[in-house]
Amino acid sequence: KNEVEQSPQNLTAQEGEFITINCSYSVGISALHWLQQHPGGGIVSLFMLSSGKKKHGRLIATINIQEKHSSLHITASHPRDSAVYICASTRETSGSRLTFGEGTQLTVNP
Amino acid sequence: EAQVTQNPRYLITVTGKKLTVTCSQNMNHEYMSWYRQDPGLGLRQIYYSMNVEVTDKGDVPEGYKVSRKEKRNFPLILESPSPNQTSLYFCASTRAFGELFFGEGSRLTVL
Repeated sequence: KNEVEQSPQNLTAQEGEFITINCSYSVGISALHWLQQHPGGGIVSLFMLSSGKKKHGRLIATINIQEKHSSLHITASHPRDSAVYICASTRETSGSRLTFGEGTQLTVNP
Repeated sequence: EAQVTQNPRYLITVTGKKLTVTCSQNMNHEYMSWYRQDPGLGLRQIYYSMNVEVTDKGDVPEGYKVSRKEKRNFPLILESPSPNQTSLYFCASTRAFGELFFGEGSRLTVL
């Protein structure tokens, strides 16, 4: 079992749909990151969470420390949201050791 | 503008020919790190640095070296590249428990 697991691996949605991507982790963490990678490779940080919930535009990220689970939600999805979404955990015992999920390929059709 | 700059962006080299991928950040971040991304394996951490002269191994350090002589620079050195080091490489920087800033990536092919 990987230390960080994401689901689903692939997700296809119609424009306007509400999307949820899940991330589970198995060890204590100090922070959970959500990243976005568009075709062409560049990686952008969307959120860094240590507790609760954060919102930025149509994106919402939540984390439940007790259940070791985080979700990324996209409201009113748009084709430009098509990308790979990656969660990554910073281990509690090491401030800079990152472990990545395998990523979720999201395709939003018009 | 806050940025992490990697060079070269693309490189084709041959087995055994030493190469260096440079990484520079202009945000005065303490933490810098290197990752490789491979199909089916995702992103994996190679090395990281918590400050000048402080570095540590990540999950896949074999075949790589790093140095952190200045806060802004964190070069990745492949002393004797092999074909299994063909990959897409990313450098990133952050302050302690802060947002990650990634470079644009360096695509390396070792023949």
